[in-house]
Amino acid sequence: AQKVTQAQTEISVVEKEDVTLDCVYETRDTTYYLFWYKQPPSGELVFLIRRNSFDEQNEISGRYSWNFQKSTSSFNFTITASQVVDSAVYFCALSEAYSGAGSYQLTFGKGTKLSVIP
Amino acid sequence: GAVVSQHPSRVICKSGTSVKIECRSLDFQATTMFWYRQFPKQSLMLMATSNEGSKATYEQGVEKDKFLINHASLTLSTLTVTSAHPEDSSFYICSVSGGFDTQYFGPGTRLTVL
Repeated sequence: AQKVTQAQTEISVVEKEDVTLDCVYETRDTTYYLFWYKQPPSGELVFLIRRNSFDEQNEISGRYSWNFQKSTSSFNFTITASQVVDSAVYFCALSEAYSGAGSYQLTFGKGTKLSVIP
Repeated sequence: GAVVSQHPSRVICKSGTSVKIECRSLDFQATTMFWYRQFPKQSLMLMATSNEGSKATYEQGVEKDKFLINHASLTLSTLTVTSAHPEDSSFYICSVSGGFDTQYFGPGTRLTVL
């Protein structure tokens, strides 16, 4: 069975600091997908990134970057020069199970609450 | 990504009543939708997978007779919480599979049962 561990429950940083959110996963499949979602106080989950298991290239999108390392089963997320608007709960998720019609079930980590202090 | 709406965004009901929550895929034909619930300060727990035109697949421990799911069209899935009780109070979120692997989520429905 798959499992996603986000060891950091809560993190507080001062605005403009960099912060890294950790994600470690477990799966028996060789083909899988990893995701990060952001959940601001409003509650809606916002998709940030998807990475498939065959693509270990790191990705940068503006102030966001992701480090995928299969050797350590980790998919860490870094926010550079954090801003107050980055305050949210961030979830790492894994999918491997095919549930029909091209859809895969997600297994979520417990989330990391990030508070950016002005 | 896919745009997903949920209605209502908040609902307060008395114990014993039934509540229906709608999930709509606004710009994508969703063969499969997912229903999650989230308790305060906790992660999302998958309740069921809703397949258009067939019965939903429920996760272990989720009562299918209590949480009725209907996915009658490619753009609409409904979750009905029957005979709701205070312990059913939670944040219910649906998602649409926007492709083969990425899920896009609705804004959620906060249910409070008095």
